[in-house]
Amino acid sequence: NAGVTQTPKFQVLKTGQSMTLQCAQDMNHNSMYWYRQDPGMGLRLIYYSASEGTTDKGEVPNGYNVSRLNKREFSLRLESAAPSQTSVYFCASRSLSSSNQPQHFGDGTRLSIL
Amino acid sequence: GENVEQHPSTLSVQEGDSAVIKCTYSDSASNYFPWYKQELGKRPQLIIDIRSNVGEKKDQRIAVTLNKTAKHFSLHITETQPEDSAVYFCAVDFNKFYFGSGTKLNVKP
Repeated sequence: NAGVTQTPKFQVLKTGQSMTLQCAQDMNHNSMYWYRQDPGMGLRLIYYSASEGTTDKGEVPNGYNVSRLNKREFSLRLESAAPSQTSVYFCASRSLSSSNQPQHFGDGTRLSIL
Repeated sequence: GENVEQHPSTLSVQEGDSAVIKCTYSDSASNYFPWYKQELGKRPQLIIDIRSNVGEKKDQRIAVTLNKTAKHFSLHITETQPEDSAVYFCAVDFNKFYFGSGTKLNVKP
């Protein structure tokens, strides 16, 4: 039972390149989330998927797209990377099948854009 | 959306002392309040949570108190140890999680 798995762990891109960050969970969770965390800052929600087949914008969606491929997988795409998108990206998942449950986080993807 | 304020932003204590971090929120409909610990370079991990039907919850040296009327909740760490040094985030559940800005706790040996 791996929990939430993110790939890759590290990536360096050039400005204008595109990239997809992958996230998969094996806990049969309904909801999945993408956050970014800048140095010394908190977690800012980019996009989330409350359930399979739905996606919604969070606090900072500009420059990103997402795909909820199936119940397990939720990917984040940068179509044209910009230096301002240099950050650590965390994926999280959560069960909504019972009373309030916590989010479980992956180990993060450290993304640098030159 | 929900507005979550977390204080203090940094906290330095001597080993063995207690530490208290407080969060306030704006929407009274919220009913789930988790706390996460994030060590340097690691992912946030749940350390304790509380639901609105109780006022306090304890787990060894960690406790959380909730005042729904005043719309604030606090994390209490007693007998602090150097390994408690980390960034702590509160969160409020209102359809999705709204996180506080974090408190960097430094426990000096």
